[in-house]
Amino acid sequence: GQQVMQIPQYQHVQEGEDFTTYCNSSTTLSNIQWYKQRPGGHPVFLIQLVKSGEVKKQKRLTFQFGEAKKNSSLHITATQTTDVGTYFCAGATSGTYKYIFGTGTRLKVLA
Amino acid sequence: DADVTQTPRNRITKTGKRIMLECSQTKGHDRMYWYRQDPGLGLRLIYYSFDVKDINKGEISDGYSVSRQAQAKFSLSLESAIPNQTALYFCATSRDSPYRGNEQFFGPGTRLTVL
Repeated sequence: GQQVMQIPQYQHVQEGEDFTTYCNSSTTLSNIQWYKQRPGGHPVFLIQLVKSGEVKKQKRLTFQFGEAKKNSSLHITATQTTDVGTYFCAGATSGTYKYIFGTGTRLKVLA
Repeated sequence: DADVTQTPRNRITKTGKRIMLECSQTKGHDRMYWYRQDPGLGLRLIYYSFDVKDINKGEISDGYSVSRQAQAKFSLSLESAIPNQTALYFCATSRDSPYRGNEQFFGPGTRLTVL
């Protein structure tokens, strides 16, 4: 079945450093979503990417969707302590109506 | 989000007991989902429902059942709880098929412990 893997599983950075998490699907995706879950909280939607090669930015966050629509990345520039949490990608394949979530990347930012 | 509520928020039960987790939403969404979260495994889909008459199995439906009592309510039952069902359970809703590009809104979660 479809699998979505994320790397790294954990990342500790100093405040001000950059951070990137990568998402890889075993199958071609129709679109991909990204969510953030703060410690003790629930996942909150960040963005959705649909087009091959799409790049979207939200302030210090940059999201990319691969040309083959099988991988995606989230890059945070100059991390802040408010960026702490677990970041999940979630991909859907064409013809399905459900998302498969990645394993998540837990980010810790050291002040 | 206060728009999606889950009860109870925490529950400790014993092996073999039947337990029901409830989810209610005031967002007016047709689509509802149940996920479980385990450390290192992300979120896995248990069941999903597109409307009151449409219920579908997800990745890990064995040992679980659901009921969609109304557009706003979607319940998850563990008929005979076992320890490996200890997890954090999330309910989510979406306006339309996420396939068409609509985000999922998650409830606060229910932490279930099966002893």
